[in-house]
Amino acid sequence: NAGVTQTPKFRILKIGQSMTLQCTQDMNHNYMYWYRQDPGMGLKLIYYSVGAGITDKGEVPNGYNVSRSTTEDFPLRLELAAPSQTSVYFCASRTQNTGELFFGEGSRLTVL
Amino acid sequence: AQTVTQSQPEMSVQEAETVTLSCTYDTSESDYYLFWYKQPPSRQMILVIRQEAYKQQNATENRFSVNFQKAAKSFSLKISDSQLGDAAMYFCAYMEYGNKLVFGAGTILRVKS
Repeated sequence: NAGVTQTPKFRILKIGQSMTLQCTQDMNHNYMYWYRQDPGMGLKLIYYSVGAGITDKGEVPNGYNVSRSTTEDFPLRLELAAPSQTSVYFCASRTQNTGELFFGEGSRLTVL
Repeated sequence: AQTVTQSQPEMSVQEAETVTLSCTYDTSESDYYLFWYKQPPSRQMILVIRQEAYKQQNATENRFSVNFQKAAKSFSLKISDSQLGDAAMYFCAYMEYGNKLVFGAGTILRVKS
């Protein structure tokens, strides 16, 4: 079982560039999440989605955009990358019932 | 907004000994989930244990158990017979039913041989 798959695993961006972090899950989960983790810190919620076509902001949404056109995919878009967006990004999904999040392996992004 | 506080940035334990990691949270809700996640150096997030607030019985998973004190809003993790493979960052997390998961800042656990 693939679970939650994130791509790319590593990326270096220049200031002002844009990119999309891809996230796909094959568990038919309705809920999907994007978190960022700065060095030595906990995870902060960027955006989340409770189903296809529905997204909402988390704690730190500025500088990011998301879309949820299908149940499986939840891409995270960075527009005009800034050094403050250097972080490890985690995508996660869950069913409505259990509460347990299934995480991807993370994507390390560096903005120089 | 809900907050989760882990007051111990770092803890150490001798192999085979027992250690307890602390977590407190703030909420006005009565129904919610609490979790402990483990993050080893590989950075993969691994669920250790889960507790539903309506259940009075403390959750256990092999060597891992929790002390859930709902009135005190406390959710500590006890690791018995600590092993070298337990060394990791541990995160406490809170979730209201049907909503987002909020994490604490984490506790680094070091296991000494």
